Amino acid sequence: EVQLVESGGGLVKPGGSLRLSCAASGFTFSSYSMNWVRQAPGKGLEWVSSISSSSSYIYYADSVKGRFTISRDNAKNSLYLQMNSLRAEDTAVYYCARETLSGRAPFDYWGQGTLVTVSS
Amino acid sequence: SYVLTQPPSVSVAPGKTARITCGGNNIGSKSVHWYQQKPGQAPVLVIYYDSDRPSGIPERFSGSNSGNTATLTISRVEAGDEADYYCQVWDSSSVVVFGGGTKLTVL
Repeated sequence: EVQLVESGGGLVKPGGSLRLSCAASGFTFSSYSMNWVRQAPGKGLEWVSSISSSSSYIYYADSVKGRFTISRDNAKNSLYLQMNSLRAEDTAVYYCARETLSGRAPFDYWGQGTLVTVSS
Repeated sequence: SYVLTQPPSVSVAPGKTARITCGGNNIGSKSVHWYQQKPGQAPVLVIYYDSDRPSGIPERFSGSNSGNTATLTISRVEAGDEADYYCQVWDSSSVVVFGGGTKLTVL
């Protein structure tokens, strides 16, 4: 059974940093591109970042470029999101999501999310 | 950047057909994926590559995509279909774009 479990969320002050993790199981993690998607309270889905299976290709939304860094450790079946210079508008539930193996792929599995609150 | 436009809300009576649109410039040339999200839950993929249905998704869910509009159609709507629905595409610059979401209300 495919499972994605996020952790690392919490309360952080503006300007602070946080590192999110996503533990994957039930599939060959090293074969799949992975993504972070966030959802601010009461708002819609916003894509944050993607990373290819071997970390060769990495993309970011303009809203987080230069502040967030996506990475993965295929030996540990884990995906990460390092978030620096956090702002109030980064407050959201952060989901990790797996892409299917095809091109321009959909996200076929999602974690349950971890809440990040940026507030003084 | 590419923009996807969805109606904020759609209402439908049980047993009827709901159609949720997703507008974008020449969206017919892109592959559209649709997600269902119920309160407090993670999104679930319900339609991918315009009209394919993942295993476990009822046949009542279907999709189409042409011109400037993609459409998610839910036939014989049930109370359990009440949720937010999001369309998604990949932009030409390898960026993912979500529509703003549509809240489906079953009357």
